[in-house]
Amino acid sequence: SQQGEEDPQALSIQEGENATMNCSYKTSINNLQWYRQNSGRGLVHLILIRSNEREKHSGRLRVTLDTSKKSSSLLITASRAADTASYFCATDANQAGTALIFGKGTTLSVSS
Amino acid sequence: NAGVMQNPRHLVRRRGQEARLRCSPMKGHSHVYWYRQLPEEGLKFMVYLQKENIIDESGMPKERFSAEFPKEGPSILRIQQVVRGDSAAYFCASSEQDYTEAFFGQGTRLTVV
Repeated sequence: SQQGEEDPQALSIQEGENATMNCSYKTSINNLQWYRQNSGRGLVHLILIRSNEREKHSGRLRVTLDTSKKSSSLLITASRAADTASYFCATDANQAGTALIFGKGTTLSVSS
Repeated sequence: NAGVMQNPRHLVRRRGQEARLRCSPMKGHSHVYWYRQLPEEGLKFMVYLQKENIIDESGMPKERFSAEFPKEGPSILRIQQVVRGDSAAYFCASSEQDYTEAFFGQGTRLTVV
């Protein structure tokens, strides 16, 4: 079944640095969404990018989508300790009536 | 507009008991999704429902698990005769329609003892 795969599995950076996480998927999609999950908590929706979009910004977040390579990246600029969390990409199949399928996530640690 | 509400937040059941997990979607959302998450892992899709209909249950175990989303009231994920392997966090998400943002609840952490 279709699945997003995040890369790297884990990322450790210092405050102020940028963090880049990548996601690859297998089949055509209608949109791709990024989520954040703090340890033991629910998922927070970060951003949705549609298949006809190439880039989207939200605050310190920048998401790109390359449908020819079936990949997306999430860039967090000027990271903060509070950005420490797991980040997941989720894709739908380009077909009505399908649910979001999640990758295994990237665990980001930002140290001060 | 309250977010997706799940209850209980924590549930402890003995082996063989039943677990009932409830999810109230965001106002105006008619699509509900259930996911299971084991420690240090991603979310595994279980079932997708719209009001009174199961759209996709391909991720649901064939036995002991069932889900419903009645015309009135919350969506219910029901696990009968729980076993230790059912211990996990169960998340519910809702969306307004296909291809729109899905918003998640805080999850129910089920522990089977």
